[in-house]
Amino acid sequence: DTAVSQTPKYLVTQMGNDKSIKCEQNLGHDTMYWYKQDSKKFLKIMFSYNNKELIINETVPNRFSPKSPDKAHLNLHINSLELGDSAVYFCASSQAGDLETQYFGPGTRLLVL
Amino acid sequence: SQQGEEDPQALSIQEGENATMNCSYKTSINNLQWYRQNSGRGLVHLILIRSNEREKHSGRLRVTLDTSKKSSSLLITASRAADTASYFCAISNSGTYKYIFGTGTRLKVLA
Repeated sequence: DTAVSQTPKYLVTQMGNDKSIKCEQNLGHDTMYWYKQDSKKFLKIMFSYNNKELIINETVPNRFSPKSPDKAHLNLHINSLELGDSAVYFCASSQAGDLETQYFGPGTRLLVL
Repeated sequence: SQQGEEDPQALSIQEGENATMNCSYKTSINNLQWYRQNSGRGLVHLILIRSNEREKHSGRLRVTLDTSKKSSSLLITASRAADTASYFCAISNSGTYKYIFGTGTRLKVLA
């Protein structure tokens, strides 16, 4: 069984559209994250939720809105997509606390045309 | 920037050789982790070293941490073609859930 899953795996869309990426983890973890990896492989944290509560909100355009309906899910909605949003988006989860490992999903490759 | 920086950016070695990659950072840390990313995949956790530890081993992996120099190194011994991947360090500060990832080292192991 996949520990952290994301859908869709690939997403090709036009500028200006609104899209969502879904993430689910079946590890029973308390904390979930969204990361963005650009074309140079630089991985940057965007958001983190702990027990459905937003705890990290980096400098991300407000077109990006995370939603956590429950501890096992963290979805990412993006409004008015721009060319610069093209990247690979990774969801991850961990048990609360510094010393815990993060488990990453397989990534969603977003291409904005 | 708190971001870790890996060195070298890219490394190409022959199978059987050892591979060493380094990570430098600027802030105080609680722990440092190394992750591997195969092409087109998510990151996989390799090893975690705490700020009060100096060295850790896991199979063919050896990680060192020098907090006075704010640096860590990852050594892969007897490399295999399957070790071909990008390797990232990630640092976290105490009391936060935030991990800052480095820029990665792309390792290529030639058979």
